[in-house]
Amino acid sequence: DSGVTQTPKHLITATGQRVTLRCSPRSGDLSVYWYQQSLDQGLQFLIQYYNGEERAKGNILERFSAQQFPDLHSELNLSSLELGDSALYFCASSVKDGGAVTQYFGPGTRLLVL
Amino acid sequence: AQKVTQAQTEISVVEKEDVTLDCVYETRDTTYYLFWYKQPPSGELVFLIRRNSFDEQNEISGRYSWNFQKSTSSFNFTITASQVVDSAVYFCALSGISSGSARQLTFGSGTQLTVLP
Repeated sequence: DSGVTQTPKHLITATGQRVTLRCSPRSGDLSVYWYQQSLDQGLQFLIQYYNGEERAKGNILERFSAQQFPDLHSELNLSSLELGDSALYFCASSVKDGGAVTQYFGPGTRLLVL
Repeated sequence: AQKVTQAQTEISVVEKEDVTLDCVYETRDTTYYLFWYKQPPSGELVFLIRRNSFDEQNEISGRYSWNFQKSTSSFNFTITASQVVDSAVYFCALSGISSGSARQLTFGSGTQLTVLP
């Protein structure tokens, strides 16, 4: 158990809908990262927050947004969902902000868009 | 831009055999960090090791060992006396410290290891 929690574990929804994925980092970790794992794109970095502020952006679509709250939990919002958004979404956390840290991953949220 | 290549898509071995998973990386950063993660059938990503680019010492942890060679930009992972529980997808990943690439992990495509009883 990495100490990172994600809810829900599974999500099934329809095209055009909006969903929110939630992540609670390990105790003491200030950085939260979101990744998407799909069959065609592999594991891709989406976005990172550090202590409530956005720090880095990857291949995140404009339909997707995220935020980190004062209690350090984070939410990833996916809107106008398309079939291709079906994927496993991971959240990871680390103590610091930067390359010399280890990211610990949550169990993921499996999203299926029908 | 950073890139991680895991050329072996799938490997199948019989229990107790040794197996090496290859990882080749590209980066312009002079200081960077290399990682291996394991993804068992249950789906979670489990951290195995982090290596700093300025430390080329090989590392051994039980049946696991890692060979880091900066000259060939490789960070290979060997499992000795493999077990069925080692069956998983293994990912090699890289992060640098230059701005823009400092924070995220760049993953390889993964190697599916199947250990047969």
